Amino acid sequence: DTGVSQNPRHKITKRGQNVTFRCDPISEHNRLYWYRQTLGQGPEFLTYFQNEAQLEKSRLLSDRFSAERPKGSFSTLEIQRTEQGDSAMYLCASSLALTSYEQYFGPGTRLTVT
Amino acid sequence: AQKVTQAQTEISVVEKEDVTLDCVYETRDTTYYLFWYKQPPSGELVFLIRRNSFDEQNEISGRYSWNFQKSTSSFNFTITASQVVDSAVYFCALSGTNYGGATNKLIFGTGTLLAVQP
Repeated sequence: DTGVSQNPRHKITKRGQNVTFRCDPISEHNRLYWYRQTLGQGPEFLTYFQNEAQLEKSRLLSDRFSAERPKGSFSTLEIQRTEQGDSAMYLCASSLALTSYEQYFGPGTRLTVT
Repeated sequence: AQKVTQAQTEISVVEKEDVTLDCVYETRDTTYYLFWYKQPPSGELVFLIRRNSFDEQNEISGRYSWNFQKSTSSFNFTITASQVVDSAVYFCALSGTNYGGATNKLIFGTGTLLAVQP
């Protein structure tokens, strides 16, 4: 059973560019979560999906952020017109709703906006 | 509103010492879950334990033990006979329930950096 994978692991981009991250959850996990973590802080919730349905979005998720999970398997998180304040570690987690309560995290994608 | 407070920013101990990491939470939910995660220098969050709000029994797993007290809204984590490999940032987290009882988002504390010196 492979864990949660995220790609790329690192991304450096210039301010104003668009970036897209991918998350592959543990197979058969129907819930997928995105979090953002800045230095010295705990992860902050961004959004989550159950299968392909996006069930909740944080107020942190501005209009420049969009997430999809089109077939209920992998998910993408896109940031448009990146800003320096978007620099952070973006974490993905998955869980199996109704039978498991733990969220298992991937290694994260570190975004640096210059 | 839900909130998790980890007042200890950094703790430094010498190997083989016992250490307790504090966690205090706030929630209005009657059913909720509490978690501890470990984030080693490699960065990946590792799940350690989950407790639900109806089960206040303490739990022990090897050198790890957890003390859950609803009366003080605390969920503390003790490492007995610490080892250098325990050095990491430890996060306490809280989640409510919806959609049939499954947990939704995790609310994390700011973490405690534990440094175990040889």
